[in-house]
Amino acid sequence: AQSVTQLDSHVSVSEGTPVLLRCNYSSSYSPSLFWYVQHPNKGLQLLLKYTSAATLVKGINGFEAEFKKSETSFHLTKPSAHMSDAAEYFCVVSVLGNTDKLIFGTGTRLQVFP
Amino acid sequence: GAGVSQSPSNKVTEKGKDVELRCDPISGHTALYWYRQRLGQGLEFLIYFQGNSAPDKSGLPSDRFSAERTGESVSTLTIQRTQQEDSAVYLCASSSLVGGVYGTNEKLFFGSGTQLSVL
Repeated sequence: AQSVTQLDSHVSVSEGTPVLLRCNYSSSYSPSLFWYVQHPNKGLQLLLKYTSAATLVKGINGFEAEFKKSETSFHLTKPSAHMSDAAEYFCVVSVLGNTDKLIFGTGTRLQVFP
Repeated sequence: GAGVSQSPSNKVTEKGKDVELRCDPISGHTALYWYRQRLGQGLEFLIYFQGNSAPDKSGLPSDRFSAERTGESVSTLTIQRTQQEDSAVYLCASSSLVGGVYGTNEKLFFGSGTQLSVL
């Protein structure tokens, strides 16, 4: 069965320092993986997605994630945090099959301090 | 509008009452999902519609929950005899593609959600 685990419920960084949001997945198949961001009082926005192409995926707003099959990980990174990056981030794995359900992680709250 | 529209944005109801939540997907999107996000928890899959296929209802938490979709247009999620544990943000999403054996390439477009509070 497919599942996704976000290892940190909260991450705090200073503005201008690197961001690392960790995600591990479990899948019987080659998975499709996504990162979504949810800003307060707004809908979810797709940051990036991995679908068996390049293992290093670049997304919007300077974020990127690397698919590591050996570690079953898909960590989200950004070299330099900005105040506007403060939000909730969800790692998502796609469940293969007729319905292609998305399984969401529990989310990581990113705080950025000045 | 160009995006997924949900209404109402906020709903406060009394325990035991029925509520109906509405989702207008992006025109032309064949796939429609309902998710629930309870406070402090991740997104929980509820139900999935794809074209004229039978919906995947495997995520509905109880028989008090039901959803309908007319063709490839509006969907309504109905919760009967609401309970306090039903309080959550209910999110609707739509997409235009169905994934295949090697994974999905679909991009989900989410609405802003309906904040349901059951008193």
